[in-house]
Amino acid sequence: DAGVIQSPRHEVTEMGQEVTLRCKPISGHNSLFWYRQTMMRGLELLIYFNNNVPIDDSGMPEDRFSAKMPNASFSTLKIQPSEPRDSAVYFCASSFGVGRGIETQYFGPGTRLLVL
Amino acid sequence: GQQLNQSPQSMFIQEGEDVSMNCTSSSIFNTWLWYKQDPGEGPVLLIALYKAGELTSNGRLTAQFGITRKDSFLNISASIPSDVGIYFCAGVNDMRFGAGTRLTVKP
Repeated sequence: DAGVIQSPRHEVTEMGQEVTLRCKPISGHNSLFWYRQTMMRGLELLIYFNNNVPIDDSGMPEDRFSAKMPNASFSTLKIQPSEPRDSAVYFCASSFGVGRGIETQYFGPGTRLLVL
Repeated sequence: GQQLNQSPQSMFIQEGEDVSMNCTSSSIFNTWLWYKQDPGEGPVLLIALYKAGELTSNGRLTAQFGITRKDSFLNISASIPSDVGIYFCAGVNDMRFGAGTRLTVKP
């Protein structure tokens, strides 16, 4: 299996632009997680889907952030409009199991976002 | 919200030495997880702990779930250069991560 696939791996954009991050989970996994990692705040869970349904979005920082999972093999995290403080590494992870399936969570390589 | 305090923040050790790091919280967790992150990669799960008092090993790694359910520690024995990286603890009620311990191993 190819593992969790994220694209793009790197993104540089200007403040105010829309940014879309993409994730393809491991085939057969039924849970998908979006995380953000910064030096200041460490690794934070943004949102979690189970069977394509958003279960917990309490970590989403504000209305500029939105996430969708239209099918079991694809998810997007969108930032509109982007701000310099959104610069971070964004990870997608997937797992199989009931509830959060935490013990089998596999992370993608991340998207490094820089907003100028 | 629940906060995880991970220590130490960084460690510089000689190859062959043992390493110990820990996480504490003011809240109780149902599960403790330990991850390792290599530069430019996502975290990789090392050990998962599900019961208070549980002691689990994975090769040279040993982790324990504290009796109070508010803490956990990770030991690495006989460190080698490839142990270099950032180690994170995570507490599962709502998946919170510690700030990480950055490990450097000198050959």
